Amino acid sequence: DAEITQSPRHKITETGRQVTLACHQTWNHNNMFWYRQDLGHGLRLIHYSYGVQDTNKGEVSDGYSVSRSNTEDLPLTLESAASSQTSVYFCASSARDRGPDTQYFGPGTRLTVL
Amino acid sequence: GENVGLHLPTLSVQEGDNSIINCAYSNSASDYFIWYKQESGKGPQFIIDIRSNMDKRQGQRVTVLLNKTVKHLSLQIAATQPGDSAVYFCAETGYGNKLVFGAGTILRVKS
Repeated sequence: DAEITQSPRHKITETGRQVTLACHQTWNHNNMFWYRQDLGHGLRLIHYSYGVQDTNKGEVSDGYSVSRSNTEDLPLTLESAASSQTSVYFCASSARDRGPDTQYFGPGTRLTVL
Repeated sequence: GENVGLHLPTLSVQEGDNSIINCAYSNSASDYFIWYKQESGKGPQFIIDIRSNMDKRQGQRVTVLLNKTVKHLSLQIAATQPGDSAVYFCAETGYGNKLVFGAGTILRVKS
């Protein structure tokens, strides 16, 4: 069955380190999204991509970057991890090109920055 | 509508009763709305959706109602079961498909 996976599921890192969270989907969806979920803020959009080589900033993009070299993967990189980036990160994908459509979410990565 | 967490509204219902979860959305230009269910430790799971040209849509045990006049969305769950216990989020989107999530609601089902 097609699915969306994230790895690692849990990560502890130190302030200042570079961290990359992986997201992989097998639906062949063009659209992929990264969100963070925090107490008091719900789910907020970090970055998104409408296809290979396309990336866009979301609501809370500072300190994060993404790259889209193929359809299946959208890795999220924290260039220099900060304690404020301790959160649960969710990746999602959708099929309809730029159009409003259901997004399907991965299981999440819990990141702790010490 | 992004404040979620310590002060999430909570709805407690008896097993077998019907549940109604409400959501106010912010953008009158949004033309697609989704309800998600999130269980502890998991990602949001699609429940049901509705487009702005509809007022009501029914699924299995769930119904979504859309009132564009007052920008209000509701999710009705029939014969609520213990497995329905979770946090429920509404989300709105339009062209570009960037979801904006509403404040979640905790649903607790009492047996």
